[in-house]
Amino acid sequence: EAAVTQSPRNKVAVTGGKVTLSCNQTNNHNNMYWYRQDTGHGLRLIHYSYGAGSTEKGDIPDGYKASRPSQENFSLILELATPSQTSVYFCASGDAGRGANTGQLYFGEGSKLTVL
Amino acid sequence: GDSVTQKQGQVTLSEDDFLFINCTYSTTTYPTLFWYVQYPGQGPQLLLKVTTANNKGISRGFEATYDKGTTSFHLQKASVQESDSAVYFCALVPGGNYKPTFGKGTSLVVHP
Repeated sequence: EAAVTQSPRNKVAVTGGKVTLSCNQTNNHNNMYWYRQDTGHGLRLIHYSYGAGSTEKGDIPDGYKASRPSQENFSLILELATPSQTSVYFCASGDAGRGANTGQLYFGEGSKLTVL
Repeated sequence: GDSVTQKQGQVTLSEDDFLFINCTYSTTTYPTLFWYVQYPGQGPQLLLKVTTANNKGISRGFEATYDKGTTSFHLQKASVQESDSAVYFCALVPGGNYKPTFGKGTSLVVHP
């Protein structure tokens, strides 16, 4: 069974503080993604990666950095957190091959971040 | 760039009603189209996949179809149940890259 795990599941941070959201996948997928979900906006792509050592900007990258140190791990980093970054963040992995599941994303359970 | 429009923000039905959710898309590639479902407190999970080759997908009583002429794809179910209450997202994965674009989601509420 595909597995994507996120930590922490809940985080309260102060404005100006540093926040790191971590994601681990055991699917051996090349691609990994970070989305945020807000009411009225659906799922918006922040950063993604095609493999270890690579990161790409998504549609709303400002204020976020990403790190992909290995095939399994992909982190989202907020160097200076702001209240506007209060949201639910989802990590996902996806297969970049040519199999039947290509393009399908497998999501984690989400990380709820509150910035005060 | 690629885009997906999902206009129905919320749909409220009674059990056994017919469900129809529509998305339109724009891309210059041959895309793969997806429907995801998200239950409260969980991440989205795949419901259906439709390729431009097969035009249709069926799963758990849901049916997804796609219309190349109007660049739209639809999710329908003949008879919804209270347990179908969830948020439904359409998504597009362009051919040649793996940067998915999601619609804004449709919150389905089914009353018993």
